[in-house]
Amino acid sequence: RKEVEQDPGPFNVPEGATVAFNCTYSNSASQSFFWYRQDCRKEPKLLMSVYSSGNEDGRFTAQLNRASQYISLLIRDSKLSDSATYLCVVNMDMGRRALTFGSGTRLQVQP
Amino acid sequence: NAGVTQTPKFQVLKTGQSMTLQCAQDMNHEYMSWYRQDPGMGLRLIHYSVGAGITDQGEVPNGYNVSRSTTEDFPLRLLSAAPSQTSVYFCASSYWDSPETQYFGPGTRLLVL
Repeated sequence: RKEVEQDPGPFNVPEGATVAFNCTYSNSASQSFFWYRQDCRKEPKLLMSVYSSGNEDGRFTAQLNRASQYISLLIRDSKLSDSATYLCVVNMDMGRRALTFGSGTRLQVQP
Repeated sequence: NAGVTQTPKFQVLKTGQSMTLQCAQDMNHEYMSWYRQDPGMGLRLIHYSVGAGITDQGEVPNGYNVSRSTTEDFPLRLLSAAPSQTSVYFCASSYWDSPETQYFGPGTRLLVL
């Protein structure tokens, strides 16, 4: 079983749609959770952190469910520029400060 | 402020050759790391460093060496390239107390024939 699992997609949605991605993680002791965005053939970039209370940044909402060990990302009013791969990232080892990445969910927003 | 830079952008090697992937950052970050990204597998940690003179192994260290003689530089050396090392390599850096905000370099695409 992968430590961080994501549906690879692709999710094909029209502009203006709402889309949600989920991600599950295996280590119940994990402390920190994030969503990164990666454009085609580019480096990953931090999109947002995920807090236990949930957090929102404009059209993006991230939530954490520790009991079920999953993280979600909701994108409202999708834009063409949201087309990318979204990586679920978990910090499972605070000592190493190393991040464990999911393989990503690809989103394609269509006009 | 260039951020994290990596060279080369693309490299083709023959099996058995050695080479060094360069990584440098100008943000005075203590923490630097190397990841490889393969289709369907996500990024996997190869080696990391928490400061000059200190390195440690990540999830997939075999076949790679690193050194950290300065805060700025963290080269990754392939000792004897194998086709299984064909991948995209990313270097990243962050402040020690902010591991979530890792800044990635643009990546090096390596093809081993």
